[in-house]
Parts: sequence; structure tokens; C-alpha cells
Amino acid sequence: AQSVTQLDSHVSVSEGTPVLLRCNYSSSYSPSLFWYVQHPNKGLQLLLKYTSAATLVKGINGFEAEFKKSETSFHLTKPSAHMSDAAEYFCVVSPSGGYNKLIFGAGTRLAVHP
Amino acid sequence: DAGVTQSPTHLIKTRGQHVTLRCSPISGHKSVSWYQQVLGQGPQFIFQYYEKEERGRGNFPDRFSARQFPNYSSELNVNALLLGDSALYLCASSSSTVGGAATNTEAFFGQGTRLTVV
Repeated sequence: AQSVTQLDSHVSVSEGTPVLLRCNYSSSYSPSLFWYVQHPNKGLQLLLKYTSAATLVKGINGFEAEFKKSETSFHLTKPSAHMSDAAEYFCVVSPSGGYNKLIFGAGTRLAVHP
Repeated sequence: DAGVTQSPTHLIKTRGQHVTLRCSPISGHKSVSWYQQVLGQGPQFIFQYYEKEERGRGNFPDRFSARQFPNYSSELNVNALLLGDSALYLCASSSSTVGGAATNTEAFFGQGTRLTVV
């Protein structure tokens, strides 16, 4: 069975400093992995998707993630945090390879301080 | 263009009651999925429907049921409500064309229905 584990429930950074949100996955074969963001009172929004084409995936709003098979990790990073990045972030795996029947991690709440 | 719309936005029900949640997908999207997000947790997959047929079901009891209509809108029904059913219920739609199975077309989420069971 496939699963994802988000290693931090809360991350706090200062505006302008780097962001690192950690995710480990468990899968018996090459997975499809995603990062989604959830702002308060807004729907989930796709940040980026890994589908084995390239190990470094660039997403929206300056976020990127690197797939490391040897470490079974898919960490999300951003060079410089902005106040508007404060939200809940979910690492997600798809058993089917597509956007259906997604399996979400527990989430990481990112706080950005001035 | 309208995104995925869900109604109602908030709902309060008593234990043992029944509830119906509604979802209108993005125009042209034929696949609808339902997720339950309990406070402090990630969303959990409940159902996927494509072309009015159930294409996937998560690990939820039979009290949960759903259907999809000819216009591709969908309803999620929950019977005999329990306190533990209190959650944000999310609907997602996508333009899946390959039998609703593996597809690279993005799924778009609605803002959800907040259900509180008292």
C-alpha cells in the first residue's frame, strides 16, 4: 500500500528566509507524488506534481520539490518565504498515477512571521 | 468561469440524522470525487464517480453513499450520523476521459461543506 508521511506538523519561518517542508513516501513502485496547498476558507490548490519525467519539479509561486528515490523523500522548498505562503501544505501520493483516489499526508502548517 | 461549487457551505445536524451534500463540477468535467477532512488531518478519499458510475470507494462504512446525475453533478449522502462524521467534505472534479481511471488531467477542489454533528 502507498502512503506519505509529513515529518513536521508545524513549521515557522521568517519572511524572506527559505522554506523546507519534509515528506517521505512509501511505495512498492515508482509513485506519482503531489504537493497541495490549502489556504483558510479556500479549496485545495495543486502546487506541483512528480511523474518520473524529472527529479526536480518546479511548481507555482516559486515552490519546487525534489524526488529522491534513495531516501524515499519528496521535500518541498522555496528560497524565500512570503507572508502569503502561510497555509496548510499536503504531500499526496496517487495509487493510480492520476489525480483520482489521492492519498493525503496529515499536513504541515506553515507560519510566516514578519 | 465557475469552479467546483459545493452546497451548503455549513451544516449542523443531530446524531442519527441524515445529510445530503451537493457538488457541481466545472463545466465539461465528468469525474467527481469526494473526500472527508477531519480537523487536523489530511483529506481521505470516499468515492469517485465517472459517467454516473462508481469508479472507486475508500474505506468508509455503508452509511456513506453517493450518486452522480446526468449533468455530472453529484450528491454525497450520510445516514445515521455520528459525532465522528463532523468534518469538512470536499468535492473534486476533473476532465478524466479514460474511463475515469489513471489520467493526467488535474483535479480541482471546491471549498467544501463544513458538517458539524451535535
